Amino acid sequence: AQSVTQLGSHVSVSEGALVLLRCNYSSSVPPYLFWYVQYPNQGLQLLLKYTTGATLVKGINGFEAEFKKSETSFHLTKPSAHMSDAAEYFCAVSDLNAGKSTFGDGTTLTVKP
Amino acid sequence: EAGVTQFPSHSVIEKGQTVTLRCDPISGHDNLYWYRRVMGKEIKFLLHFVKESKQDESGMPNNRFLAERTGGTYSTLKVQPAELEDSGVYFCASSQDSTGFRDYGYTFGSGTRLTVV
Repeated sequence: AQSVTQLGSHVSVSEGALVLLRCNYSSSVPPYLFWYVQYPNQGLQLLLKYTTGATLVKGINGFEAEFKKSETSFHLTKPSAHMSDAAEYFCAVSDLNAGKSTFGDGTTLTVKP
Repeated sequence: EAGVTQFPSHSVIEKGQTVTLRCDPISGHDNLYWYRRVMGKEIKFLLHFVKESKQDESGMPNNRFLAERTGGTYSTLKVQPAELEDSGVYFCASSQDSTGFRDYGYTFGSGTRLTVV
């Protein structure tokens, strides 16, 4: 069984500040880990992913995440928030067979001017 | 390349009525998934098609939900009869194959917001 916990349903940062969205997972098999972003009235869009290899992964719009197996974490960061980053962010874990994914509850990011 | 298309975008129906949601995946994507998000909670898996076959339907809540995928192309999700707790946003997603999923994740549609009153 797999599960995902996103710490903090709402995160608020000032424009230009560091963004840190937390994700912890559990998986009985080596996981695929994903971050998706959802803007209002749109579908979820892939931000970045970890499957194998380098544990620090870079995605679109300046976001990156680090897979830490010992901590079962995959936190999402961005050095400097932009107003356009305001959205809802979802962490997800999948097994290697590309079947279903298990999502977290989502974190809504607000960026203050 | 056209994305994953879902319609309707919104549907309001009365308890006991029937609603059919449709999803058109990206052409050539063999894998099609239905997910649901209820009341701002987590996005939950409903089922997974590979072409026209149901690969995994372990997330379907009960027998009021029926999913089909005609000829391995578009898919429909029918709720009959609808209950209040069926309200939520229904997402469809597709991926080409296991390699495509590994490289690109899912491509999601914009979702159908279903409200049962």
